[in-house]
Amino acid sequence: EAGVAQSPRYKIIEKRQSVAFWCNPISGHATLYWYQQILGQGPKLLIQFQNNGVVDDSQLPKDRFSAERLKGVDSTLKIQPAKLEDSAVYLCASSSPRIATYEQYFGPGTRLTVT
Amino acid sequence: GQNIDQPTEMTATEGAIVQINCTYQTSGFNGLFWYQQHAGEAPTFLSYNVLDGLEEKGRFSSFLSRSKGYSYLLLKELQMKDSASYLCAVNGGFKTIFGAGTRLFVKA
Repeated sequence: EAGVAQSPRYKIIEKRQSVAFWCNPISGHATLYWYQQILGQGPKLLIQFQNNGVVDDSQLPKDRFSAERLKGVDSTLKIQPAKLEDSAVYLCASSSPRIATYEQYFGPGTRLTVT
Repeated sequence: GQNIDQPTEMTATEGAIVQINCTYQTSGFNGLFWYQQHAGEAPTFLSYNVLDGLEEKGRFSSFLSRSKGYSYLLLKELQMKDSASYLCAVNGGFKTIFGAGTRLFVKA
């Protein structure tokens, strides 16, 4: 079974530029999450999708961040314009209610550096 | 508010036992997770507790007391490869909240 795929793995941009990240969850996983993890901190949920609907986006800075999961499979997260404080690892995870433990499977992440 | 507390760092010796504590305050509770995260890598699932008591899985065990809002992860027979961050996370409904993690250093 293929894991959660993310691209790119690394990205360096200047502040005020825009950037997009892509995630393809494990096949059949209905729930998809985007997390921001700043160095030394735990992952912070940005947005959670159930199929193509948003379950929670309360911590998504909507003035600059956007995310979509149009067909209920893969997803993109966009930042426009980026700020220095957006430097972090962006993790995508997926889960399925068919898994009794409700564990989340994480992708390798995208390390974003904003200069 | 919702809060998860765990120690920032711990150091232990190879072959020893270490206990990493986690206390939480959340508006709801559907289960508590422990994840392991090596530096520069994604978190990987270790354990899930939804009922009170101890869950044992090889060298790792996890304990939960819902009335006390408390959990611990017990690592036995420590190995150098166990040096990593250990994240406590609580599913309080639709959302899972992660703690900041405990960085464990295993020394020879």
